[in-house]
Amino acid sequence: DAGVIQSPRHEVTEMGQEVTLRCKPISGHNSLFWYRQTMMRGLELLIYFNNNVPIDDSGMPEDRFSAKMPNASFSTLKIQPSEPRDSAVYFCASSMQPWTGGAQPQHFGDGTRLSIL
Amino acid sequence: TQLLEQSPQFLSIQEGENLTVYCNSSSVFSSLQWYRQEPGEGPVLLVTVVTGGEVKKLKRLTFQFGDARKDSSLHITAAQPGDTGLYLCAGAKPGRRALTFGSGTRLQVQP
Repeated sequence: DAGVIQSPRHEVTEMGQEVTLRCKPISGHNSLFWYRQTMMRGLELLIYFNNNVPIDDSGMPEDRFSAKMPNASFSTLKIQPSEPRDSAVYFCASSMQPWTGGAQPQHFGDGTRLSIL
Repeated sequence: TQLLEQSPQFLSIQEGENLTVYCNSSSVFSSLQWYRQEPGEGPVLLVTVVTGGEVKKLKRLTFQFGDARKDSSLHITAAQPGDTGLYLCAGAKPGRRALTFGSGTRLQVQP
């Protein structure tokens, strides 16, 4: 079975450019999460969607970051304009969340390593 | 300030040694999950503990959830080089669907 698929795996771009990261969650999962991982701050939740609707975007650093989930099988995280401090590994994860009950185990993609020069 | 503090941050041991990793918080969690992450990959779930005092075993790995559901530990017996990686605990707060990840413990097992 295919896991969570992220693209690109690596992205190197210059400061000021627009960056778009893509994620395909596991089929049938109804929740999708975007994380950022750095050595200094560890794994931070940026935003999560439930049934394609953004539920909590309090982790999004600033207005330069935006995320969309137009359908159940695709999501994007966009940074515009990008800055060197945005350099990190960005992960997408998905899970099957029931209506009740706590957080369920998450399945992660292999991440996008982003370097802003 | 990290909601979930892990200790130690780094651990380098020889093959065959035992070790314990701790995950502590002042908050109560409805469940706690442990993940292992290898270089160039995303975290992979090892176990979920739900009940206070619960102990789960996964081969040489033993996971325990504290009685008050505020802390957890991971004990590895006779560590092997294949255990090398970043170990992350993640807590689910009551009523919330998102996880809060700990700061991580980076383990290196030397052959």
